[in-house]
This record gives sequence, C-alpha cells and structure tokens, in this order.
Amino acid sequence: QLVLTQSPSASASLGASVKLTCTLSSGLSNYAIAWHQQQPEKGPRYLMKLNSDGSHTKGDGIPDRFSGSSSGAERYLTISSLQSEDEADYYCQTWGTGIQVFGGGTKLTVL
Amino acid sequence: EAQLLESGGGLVQPGGSLRLSCAASGFTFSNYAMSWARQAPGKGLEWVSTISGSGDSTFYADSVKGRFTISRDNSKNTLYLQMSSLRADDTAVYYCAKQTTGSTGWFDPWGQGTLVTVSS
Repeated sequence: QLVLTQSPSASASLGASVKLTCTLSSGLSNYAIAWHQQQPEKGPRYLMKLNSDGSHTKGDGIPDRFSGSSSGAERYLTISSLQSEDEADYYCQTWGTGIQVFGGGTKLTVL
Repeated sequence: EAQLLESGGGLVQPGGSLRLSCAASGFTFSNYAMSWARQAPGKGLEWVSTISGSGDSTFYADSVKGRFTISRDNSKNTLYLQMSSLRADDTAVYYCAKQTTGSTGWFDPWGQGTLVTVSS
C-alpha cells in the first residue's frame, strides 16, 4: 500500500535552514517522490523529483536553495537561507500504475 | 511553457452535477497523461482521477469512483471532469495537472484551481 507520511508542521528562522521529511510506507524504499510547494491562497508548484539514490531534478526556476536527499524510505527537502516567501505548505507525492498518492503536507513557518 | 487553466466551478446542490474543464497550452497535449486533484477547505491534496495521453485508460480514487468521469479532447487540448451525485464532502478546489509521461509520473505543472461548492 502506497502511503506517504509527513510531519504536520515545522518552523525555522529567517536565513536559517530546514529539512522536511517524507516517509514512504514499508517495502517502498526504492520509490521516487516529487516535492510540491503551496504558498498561501495559491495552487501547488512542482519543486523537484527525488529518486531513492538522492539524485533530483528540479522544476524550472526553482532556486538552488532547495535541494533533496534520500536515506532508505525517507525523502528529504532541505531549504537553506530561508526567506519569508518560503512560508508555505509542502507536499510529497508518489505514483504507481493508475494511482497517485500525496502525503498529508507539512506547514512551514518562517520565524 | 506548459500552462493549464481550469474553469467550470461553482455552487451546486447535493445530488447535482457539474463539468469542469482544463484548457492546456504550451505542450503536445496528447503525449501526456493528465489528472485531477482536489483540496477541501483547510485540508491537504487528494488525487481524484487520471487519464492516459491517448484517453484509453482512466483511473479513479475510491471516493469518486462511479460518480465522476474523466475525459479529454486531444483535438481541443482540453481535459474534463464530469461530476455527478455530488455530496457536501466533494466541496473543494479542483486542480488539473499534467503528468510527465503518457501514462503516469508526477504532476508538473498544476493549474490555478477552480472552486466547487456543494451546498443547499
């Protein structure tokens, strides 16, 4: 069963770094995921596809401050040099034949 | 640059029907699977339905199976979602999204969304 688990909230200070986690359900440690950002009152925006080996492909115009990494069933999104506009909801997504699954999302607060 | 523009949302009574449209531009529409996802007020993202690039294959979340029908017109670069037997818990912003292959893959890009409100 395809399940993605995310912490509901995270916070970090302006200019600092933060690492968000998306955990794949048991037995799915080889799955790739995608990270999406949703700023307040906006539609989601694709950030990157993240493979199990940590390699990632970012969307057009995504700043270098956004990076991804992987360890086992965990997929990470690291945002460095936090800016106020990074305050948003972050969702992970994975997919299979005829199915798409989203994590519950992490609300990031920039202090 | 790929762009998606949804339309057709609005207020509908429980048990009613509504058809959403998604106009696509900036890419070869027939080469890519397309999906609908939704977001209830204050909630997270939920996948609704996917259709292959050719239109031959369709997939649905259990929550909408038998009530919603996804379709596409590749000659018009347009994706549709026909919604019937609507319930209060179908109230959400509905987003269309392009997938990265003809059959599956992640979402990129997303549309801006259209709000569907089911209420008497």
